[in-house]
Amino acid sequence: QVQLQESGPGLVKPSQTLSLTCTVSGGLITSAGYYWSWIRQHPGKGPEWIGHIYYSGSTDYNPSLKSRVTVSVDTAKNKFSLKLNSVTAADTAVYYCVRVSGLYKWNNVVDQWGQGTLVTVSS
Amino acid sequence: DIQMTQSPSSVSASVGDRVTITCRASQGIASWLAWYQQKPGKAPKLLIFAASNLQSGVPSRFSGSGSGTDFTLTINSLQPEDFATYYCQQADSFPLTFGGGTKVDIK
Repeated sequence: QVQLQESGPGLVKPSQTLSLTCTVSGGLITSAGYYWSWIRQHPGKGPEWIGHIYYSGSTDYNPSLKSRVTVSVDTAKNKFSLKLNSVTAADTAVYYCVRVSGLYKWNNVVDQWGQGTLVTVSS
Repeated sequence: DIQMTQSPSSVSASVGDRVTITCRASQGIASWLAWYQQKPGKAPKLLIFAASNLQSGVPSRFSGSGSGTDFTLTINSLQPEDFATYYCQQADSFPLTFGGGTKVDIK
């Protein structure tokens, strides 16, 4: 059973960069057919897909955040990371690292979630 | 982006009731729809994929139907552990988008 765990600062100052890392255990990040993704959720709202990376390094981002987001992968450490630049209070949310399946009927479905980490943007 | 609209936003029900939640996509997505359950302070949990396929380990009282733009999640004989918020998600194309959620609470 694959498990994902987010880590990183819980408080970021406005205009700075939010940086989170996701450690994957119980499976390889190089497994074919999965996108390693970041999703965030503002209080009382539905989840918002931020972007993903495939183990080969190919990425895709939500157009609403694309100019500020970078997702990277470290296959040797079985980890992937999120950087979100120029944050404001509107970026305060719970951030989840997730696995999105690209397999068969599970295509583009989030089948594994990390526990989530609250990131607050405040001075 | 494909917009996902859920209704109702909340529903009050009793143990044993049948609950139906609807989800509408802003454009046709065939059967590429998933449903998730989220409890307070927890990550969402996958219930149904490809509109009507039950994820392993999910009780059979949960069922999904629909295709194109209109979809339904039904919970038969609501159990105490089913009180939660439910989200739909279109799995047709990126960016993946989710509905605003339906909170099922105790009447």
